[in-house]
Amino acid sequence: GAVVSQHPSWVICKSGTSVKIECRSLDFQATTMFWYRQFPKQSLMLMATSNEGSKATYEQGVEKDKFLINHASLTLSTLTVTSAHPEDSSFYICSANPGGGYSNQPQHFGDGTRLSIL
Amino acid sequence: QQPVQSPQAVILREGEDAVINCSSSKALYSVHWYRQKHGEAPVFLMILLKGGEQKGHDKISASFNEKKQQSSLYLTASQLSYSGTYFCGTEISSGNTPLVFGKGTRLSVIA
Repeated sequence: GAVVSQHPSWVICKSGTSVKIECRSLDFQATTMFWYRQFPKQSLMLMATSNEGSKATYEQGVEKDKFLINHASLTLSTLTVTSAHPEDSSFYICSANPGGGYSNQPQHFGDGTRLSIL
Repeated sequence: QQPVQSPQAVILREGEDAVINCSSSKALYSVHWYRQKHGEAPVFLMILLKGGEQKGHDKISASFNEKKQQSSLYLTASQLSYSGTYFCGTEISSGNTPLVFGKGTRLSVIA
């Protein structure tokens, strides 16, 4: 079945560091991918929609200059957390729809990246 | 707008049944149900599309009442492995749109 791979699984780094997270669709092309963030004991909240070949669409309250999204190919989207601070510590997870949203298939999620900023 | 899930939490003994509800203030195209265990990514359970659909596999089933903009997830004869947080994710239209998740229902099954 369709698989979404996310890397790395976890990151621990010092405050001020920039961290890049990759999201790959392994056996399908994804013109659109979604990035969510989940704080402990909370729900998944959409951060942004990543669009291949064009600018990402950010949700209200998400700083586009802090969370840089690049979707350079049909199988790869990257999220870079720039100058990360402890409040950015969270579980980041991406998803994509193998059917492009038109074949009523579910969203496929990556395994998530647990980011801890010291 | 975020769908509302109820209850927020429930504790069951093995073999008991539970119902988790998800309601929206907006008309829905589809409802997706996921289960997430601590520290892991959500796992897809099922998708229900417009049209009063009902689905199920094993002892987990769900229904979707599009007129009431509600979906319910039914867990029967619960097993220890059912423990986790259940999320409903909703779509208001077809196409490549993101899911909007409810706050989740924490289910604990005890022996």
